[in-house]
Formats: sequence, C-alpha cells, structure tokens
Amino acid sequence: QQQVKQSPQSLIVQKGGISIINCAYENTAFDYFPWYQQFPGKGPALLIAIRPDVSEKKEGRFTISFNKSAKQFSLHIMDSQPGDSATYFCAASIPGTYKYIFGTGTRLKVLA
Amino acid sequence: SAVISQKPSRDICQRGTSLTIQCQVDSQVTMMFWYRQQPGQSLTLIATANQGSEATYESGFVIDKFPISRPNLTFSTLTVSNMSPEDSSIYLCSASPGSGGETQYFGPGTRLLVL
Repeated sequence: QQQVKQSPQSLIVQKGGISIINCAYENTAFDYFPWYQQFPGKGPALLIAIRPDVSEKKEGRFTISFNKSAKQFSLHIMDSQPGDSATYFCAASIPGTYKYIFGTGTRLKVLA
Repeated sequence: SAVISQKPSRDICQRGTSLTIQCQVDSQVTMMFWYRQQPGQSLTLIATANQGSEATYESGFVIDKFPISRPNLTFSTLTVSNMSPEDSSIYLCSASPGSGGETQYFGPGTRLLVL
C-alpha cells in the first residue's frame, strides 16, 4: 500500500515531442506528490509538485495531471529538448512525516 | 528552498573501515533525511535525522551500521560502519524546511566504492 508504481522504465522521444511519465499509488492518505529530475552524477532536483485537491499544475513546459479517483498522476514535458534527457522520479509524501515514497524512475532520452 | 552540500563527494574505502559523510544546509531546516541510491535505481530512505534526539531508522537499516548525528538545524552526518562491498552506493542527504511544506531538497550525493 506504500508503493508508488512508475512507468515507463525508459522513454525515447524526438526533440519537440511530448514526454509522458505515469505514476500510480494505493494509499489515499498521501498528500503531496513531487516530481524530481536527476542528471547523472547529481542529486535529484525538484521539478514540480502537486497536492491532491488540484487536478493540474503547469510550470513552463512541465505539467502535472492528477486523477484522484484513479489514484494516478502524470508528468508531461511539452516541447521536449535534448537537455531534458535525465531520470525522472515521482514521489508521494506520507502525511505528518515529511517522508517520501519514490517511484522506480524513468530514464528519458530526447533525440536531437 | 535550501542549498545542500555534502562531503566527501566520492570515496574509495577498504572493507571493514568506516566513512562519515557530512551534510550541510544553508538555512535552518526542520527535517533532514538520508537516502541510499544504487546506480540506476530509485532512492531508498535510510533514516530521518532528528535534531536533538536519536535518528529514526527505516526497516532494514540499523543504528549500529548507519549511526547518524544531527547536532543542530543545519548539519547532519551519516557514518557507514564496518563497510563491505555491498555498501557501495550513492548516499544522499535531503532537507525539508518544514513549516507546512513537505518539499525535500537534495544534496549532490556521496559516491562510495568499497573494495
């Protein structure tokens, strides 16, 4: 019940295309859902985050779509660029603890 | 936000020895965490570093193996004790300012290789 399932494991997208990464969870008590971007040799960097009372949040080319009834959320990267090539992790926060459960990660490669 | 630095950035150690990793935050934070990440894998929470009290460990991690200190609101250390090759991994520190915000900010990580 504490798992966050992430798909796909890897993704190849053409430059200018849309990258879509999906996550699903079981625990309806999760109350905060961040996405992190990690480049090789670096620590994860917060990209965008959403709370379950919001269905969509957009920051620049990055959008989170949240479906509370389906217990799913997804990251959309519009106009994907080669510089977006990285590993992306979704996470869910356990309320009252500030602890995260991380998804398994998606390795994105954007072709020039 | 919070800017986090870690020392050392990488190390190669002999089995049976111990390594202490330092984590420094540029501002006072409520929560600090330590994670382990195998190359190409996701992040696994080792423990929550509590200021002024003993760390809270996740299942599978024990204080004797991973002693943690947190002497103040900006600094924490993780020691990997009696190392074996299985401890080779990336160790990440994160911090959450708290005060109603759950966002965690991560350090650059410490890459550990145990021979």
